[in-house]
Amino acid sequence: AQSVAQPEDQVNVAEGNPLTVKCTYSVSGNPYLFWYVQYPNRGLQFLLKYITGDNLVKGSYGFEAEFNKSQTSFHLKKPSALVSDSALYFCAVRDMDTGRRALTFGSGTRLQVQP
Amino acid sequence: EAQVTQNPRYLITVTGKKLTVTCSQNMNHEYMSWYRQDPGLGLRQIYYSMNVEVTDKGDVPEGYKVSRKEKRNFPLILESPSPNQTSLYFCASSPRVQETQYFGPGTRLLVL
Repeated sequence: AQSVAQPEDQVNVAEGNPLTVKCTYSVSGNPYLFWYVQYPNRGLQFLLKYITGDNLVKGSYGFEAEFNKSQTSFHLKKPSALVSDSALYFCAVRDMDTGRRALTFGSGTRLQVQP
Repeated sequence: EAQVTQNPRYLITVTGKKLTVTCSQNMNHEYMSWYRQDPGLGLRQIYYSMNVEVTDKGDVPEGYKVSRKEKRNFPLILESPSPNQTSLYFCASSPRVQETQYFGPGTRLLVL
């Protein structure tokens, strides 16, 4: 079975500071990994994904994520947080190899950036 | 504009009264999916469709039905809604199953 863990319900960071939102996953094969962001009263917006290749993935709005196979992690990062980054962030995984077609999401991490 | 649309956006109903939430995409995507979002649980997949006339259960299909008669539409049907189906529902689509999904704006359902 595939699963995703986002261990922090909320992350607080001051504007201008670096931010990290953590994600670990479990799959039996190789993972497709995604980050989505949800602003209040909106649907989910795609930020970035890892399929294969370079472990450092760059995405929208200055976000990046690092795929670490040994630690089964895919943490989301940004060098300098903005107040407008405050939102709910979801990590998601799909197992490439089992043929299962579902995308499994984590429970979400609320990012609060203080001015 | 490329988008996924859902209707209605908000719905209040009573237990047992059949309802349908529509989902439509204008991107000619093959893969479509329904999720529900509940606090502390993230998004959980209800049903998905690989293409026209091909649908399959996700992680939480009980109490829901879907159909895919046309490529662009993927309605979610609650034959006999119950209060535990009160939730925020999202439809999503992607060109193929392994590609990035694009989400609709959500439908907030309250079942009394």
